[in-house]
Amino acid sequence: DQQVKQNSPSLSVQEGRISILNCDYTNSMFDYFLWYKKYPAEGPTFLISISSIKDKNEDGRFTVFLNKSAKHLSLHIVPSQPGDSAVYFCAASGKSGGSNYKLTFGKGTLLTVNP
Amino acid sequence: DVKVTQSSRYLVKRTGEKVFLECVQDMDHENMFWYRQDPGLGLRLIYFSYDVKMKEKGDIPEGYSVSREKKERFSLILESASTNQTSMYLCASSFGTLRGQYFGPGTRLTVT
Repeated sequence: DQQVKQNSPSLSVQEGRISILNCDYTNSMFDYFLWYKKYPAEGPTFLISISSIKDKNEDGRFTVFLNKSAKHLSLHIVPSQPGDSAVYFCAASGKSGGSNYKLTFGKGTLLTVNP
Repeated sequence: DVKVTQSSRYLVKRTGEKVFLECVQDMDHENMFWYRQDPGLGLRLIYFSYDVKMKEKGDIPEGYSVSREKKERFSLILESASTNQTSMYLCASSFGTLRGQYFGPGTRLTVT
């Protein structure tokens, strides 16, 4: 049972345009969401997060939107740059038998930003 | 800066061998995690530990065990490696109840 879903395995955008990566979740106990970025042969690095008490969080070119009623979040990158080309993982966390610091990851979306 | 290091970047082992993957973090984090990453499957949690000598099974613990004798070190053990354990293995750590995890560079393990 996949609790965090990234339905687009890949996305290609032009440099300077907006990239929108989507993520859906099924577990209503999730109360914290994160986005990680991963380059080949490197570990994932934390990008941005959002608590369920908010609906938007912004950090420079990156904005995460959360729609709790739809159990949907999205990551917007504006403007997109070639260096943003990477795999992006959505992750969710919530209380689960007391182990509330586990993360459940989606399968990832490969973003390619073309010059 | 948090640093999570893994003992090897690339490892090749034979079927049936016992394999040790070591992870060390230098920020006094309580929590440590082992994941594997496979194409099309994302990151899947194998085991995690929230204190020395404490461990909990993740989503795919079969065929693996772990050891945490010191706070900074978390080892993943493949008792008898099999070809379906060929994967990228990622270690991570986090502080207290903070949700963000810091990842190591990964170990690409090939079992032949």
